[in-house]
Amino acid sequence: EPEVTQTPSHQVTQMGQEVILRCVPISNHLYFYWYRQILGQKVEFLVSFYNNEISEKSEIFDDQFSVERPDGSNFTLKIRSTKLEDSAMYFCASSGRGTNEQFFGPGTRLTVL
Amino acid sequence: GEDVEQSLFLSVREGDSSVINCTYTDSSSTYLYWYKQEPGAGLQLLTYIFSNMDMKQDQRLTVLLNKKDKHLSLRIADTQTGDSAIYFCAESSGNRDDKIIFGKGTRLHILP
Repeated sequence: EPEVTQTPSHQVTQMGQEVILRCVPISNHLYFYWYRQILGQKVEFLVSFYNNEISEKSEIFDDQFSVERPDGSNFTLKIRSTKLEDSAMYFCASSGRGTNEQFFGPGTRLTVL
Repeated sequence: GEDVEQSLFLSVREGDSSVINCTYTDSSSTYLYWYKQEPGAGLQLLTYIFSNMDMKQDQRLTVLLNKKDKHLSLRIADTQTGDSAIYFCAESSGNRDDKIIFGKGTRLHILP
């Protein structure tokens, strides 16, 4: 069964460093998303992406964040200068044409020291 | 803004039914979801219901929707130890690339 994959599973970084979180969505899906879950809190929407551009972004997704689909298979989330409060589990999701069913990856746990 | 609320913990004896409740605020919600998260794992879509339905049954899972009260419930029949997880209630408007709004999750603990 096709699935969304994410790498790495755990990333530790120093405050102020740039990180890139990687996702490989399901191959025929067209819509891509990033969500995050701070420990003990809700899963929060960050951004949606379709047709090589951002469809919607939340207020969390400020200028420090960017997304890219560099090669037609990967979907990346970049945080330019990490802050302590960026520590969270980051989930990638994708969905296909004609459905709102979003399939989630296993997540990347980001720890900012 | 949109909000989804659910209780944080539920303990149930193995073999009993579990009922997890949720309320939401967005009257334009079209899809209502239940996701399951096992320790260290991602979010697994268990089931979803369209807002024009009252009930959906899928094997041991029954979803009930009271649209008037904006109340959603998930019933798990014959609860097993493998059902131990966090269950997230969620909603979206149903536009093809719309975000999903999640609750905080209910941790289901199974008693022997």
